[in-house]
Amino acid sequence: GAVVSQHPSRVICKSGTSVKIECRSLDFQATTMFWYRQFPKQSLMLMATSNEGSKATYEQGVEKDKFLINHASLTLSTLTVTSAHPEDSSFYICSATRDMNTEAFFGQGTRLTVV
Amino acid sequence: GENVEQHPSTLSVQEGDSAVIKCTYSDSASNYFPWYKQELGKRPQLIIDIRSNVGEKKDQRIAVTLNKTAKHFSLHITETQPEDSAVYFCAAYSNAGGTSYGKLTFGQGTILTVHP
Repeated sequence: GAVVSQHPSRVICKSGTSVKIECRSLDFQATTMFWYRQFPKQSLMLMATSNEGSKATYEQGVEKDKFLINHASLTLSTLTVTSAHPEDSSFYICSATRDMNTEAFFGQGTRLTVV
Repeated sequence: GENVEQHPSTLSVQEGDSAVIKCTYSDSASNYFPWYKQELGKRPQLIIDIRSNVGEKKDQRIAVTLNKTAKHFSLHITETQPEDSAVYFCAAYSNAGGTSYGKLTFGQGTILTVHP
């Protein structure tokens, strides 16, 4: 299967600072990348959908000014959590697809802790 | 938008027994249904998927059935083993209306525990 690499895997930051998470498709061009948030023992909640060269589409209730998404190329999408607060602490995970209606490949996830 | 309901939330079986997890979806236009296995702190891994033009698919001990009319699909694991213990998620892939992309909506997850 295809490989999606996400970095960093863990990050601890101070409240009020910003954190950038990268998601790369290593061996394929991803038409679409997705960003999810997962709380302990809960499901993956879609935050936004990212298409290369266009603005991300955010799910209802997700603050686009707080969670900045940039999809600069067909192999890279970034999520920046701005002015992070302890309630932003969570497991963030990206996925990428080659085409519509096909398997989504997931990154390793990023454990964000805001102190 | 799509809504996916998954049951049960927890499932405990003895090694060698079968396990069944069920999901329902709301969007009749959804046409791709993957199942993922996620171990603690790791990424979800695809274990089996099914498309809307197929009613059943099997891969060794794992099978998925789809009833389009009723809008539900199920995961069946036979001869369970302790290493099958994990969280399992169903998902439905639907085209976001008016856009050129689709998105996966996940069920709530099932914590499967297989006791030796």
